[in-house]
Amino acid sequence: AQKVTQAQTEISVVEKEDVTLDCVYETRDTTYYLFWYKQPPSGELVFLIRRNSFDEQNEISGRYSWNFQKSTSSFNFTITASQVVDSAVYFCALVYNQGGKLIFGQGTELSVKP
Amino acid sequence: GAVVSQHPSWVICKSGTSVKIECRSLDFQATTMFWYRQFPKQSLMLMATSNEGSKATYEQGVEKDKFLINHASLTLSTLTVTSAHPEDSSFYICSVPLYEQYFGPGTRLTVT
Repeated sequence: AQKVTQAQTEISVVEKEDVTLDCVYETRDTTYYLFWYKQPPSGELVFLIRRNSFDEQNEISGRYSWNFQKSTSSFNFTITASQVVDSAVYFCALVYNQGGKLIFGQGTELSVKP
Repeated sequence: GAVVSQHPSWVICKSGTSVKIECRSLDFQATTMFWYRQFPKQSLMLMATSNEGSKATYEQGVEKDKFLINHASLTLSTLTVTSAHPEDSSFYICSVPLYEQYFGPGTRLTVT
């Protein structure tokens, strides 16, 4: 069975702090895709990253970085120098085939205080 | 610009009435679209897979007679909540499963 676990329900940090959001996944498939989405209070899902199971390179995009480790089935997301605008719910998700349905984690609500 | 649109963005209806939500793929033809539901403070849960030209596939526990899905064309899928009840109040989001899994902006349904 496929499953995504985001153990951190809520995280609160002060602006400029670094914060890491954890994501652990379970799948028996050798080919799969992992995603991170941001959901601000408006509700619309904002795509952040897609990573396939064969690409374990870490990725950095501005203040965002992702650490993918197949050995621990984790795909963690770090925000460096957090800002108030980063406050949102962040979802990690898994799909085993391109074009398939996403399995979402429970989400982590990040609150960045000024 | 937006790849997937939804209409309406929010709707309030009375208990017992039906509500139709549209999901349009603006830039791509989509033989498949997904419908998710999200209750407050919860994650997104897949309700059903909308298939162009054939019946929708529903996830376990989702009543097919209550949530009618029609994939009328390669760019339009509709979700009709029939005989809505307050417990159907939720955020409904559709997606087109391409590279990014493009999501619509969502429809917030409130049943009074």
